[in-house]
Amino acid sequence: DTGVSQNPRHKITKRGQNVTFRCDPISEHNRLYWYRQTLGQGPEFLTYFQNEAQLEKSRLLSDRFSAERPKGSFSTLEIQRTEQGDSAMYLCASSLGLPRGAEAFFGQGTRLTVV
Amino acid sequence: AQKVTQAQTEISVVEKEDVTLDCVYETRDTTYYLFWYKQPPSGELVFLIRRNSFDEQNEISGRYSWNFQKSTSSFNFTITASQVVDSAVYFCALSEEMEYGNKLVFGAGTILRVKS
Repeated sequence: DTGVSQNPRHKITKRGQNVTFRCDPISEHNRLYWYRQTLGQGPEFLTYFQNEAQLEKSRLLSDRFSAERPKGSFSTLEIQRTEQGDSAMYLCASSLGLPRGAEAFFGQGTRLTVV
Repeated sequence: AQKVTQAQTEISVVEKEDVTLDCVYETRDTTYYLFWYKQPPSGELVFLIRRNSFDEQNEISGRYSWNFQKSTSSFNFTITASQVVDSAVYFCALSEEMEYGNKLVFGAGTILRVKS
């Protein structure tokens, strides 16, 4: 399978715990994105990497959230001290840098439930 | 700010009917890209089409067709002879330039239910 892969698919955690999600993009894609999707809404942008550099972060990304992409390959998204409002689907996407406006390919997401 | 509006929250049709999903956008950019994605129950967003702002030619791909009208800021999606497998949530999205790249701004989605 050469698509975008995300693990785990589902995560249930208690409020206050830390969680970490992993995303493996399409191998030749240098751009990687994290989005969050709540029920009944479209995905919302969280952060963006070009290779290993995190170049953009949304205001939605509170200081409890941190993302990394070591060596420009896979990426991790960590949420510290989870809150019930963090319950959502976390989607990872990757794309080529060119052509401008290249389509992003999404993984199946990690569904987080904070109880 | 960039904005995408999908006014139809949910549409139900009977198999073989044609259905059109509406998308209206707002942008301050002179060059931009529009996208449609399909999200089946499995959760993965499946890319359907990309259209750039300087190409208003309509596109057809099998049972799918797209009508881009810059004058009305609309990018509508029509499924001809719908099938049960078309049941999904469909998202329209607009590219937004950031300082170091671009991101997608999505509409709220339209749930399409095709009944046999």
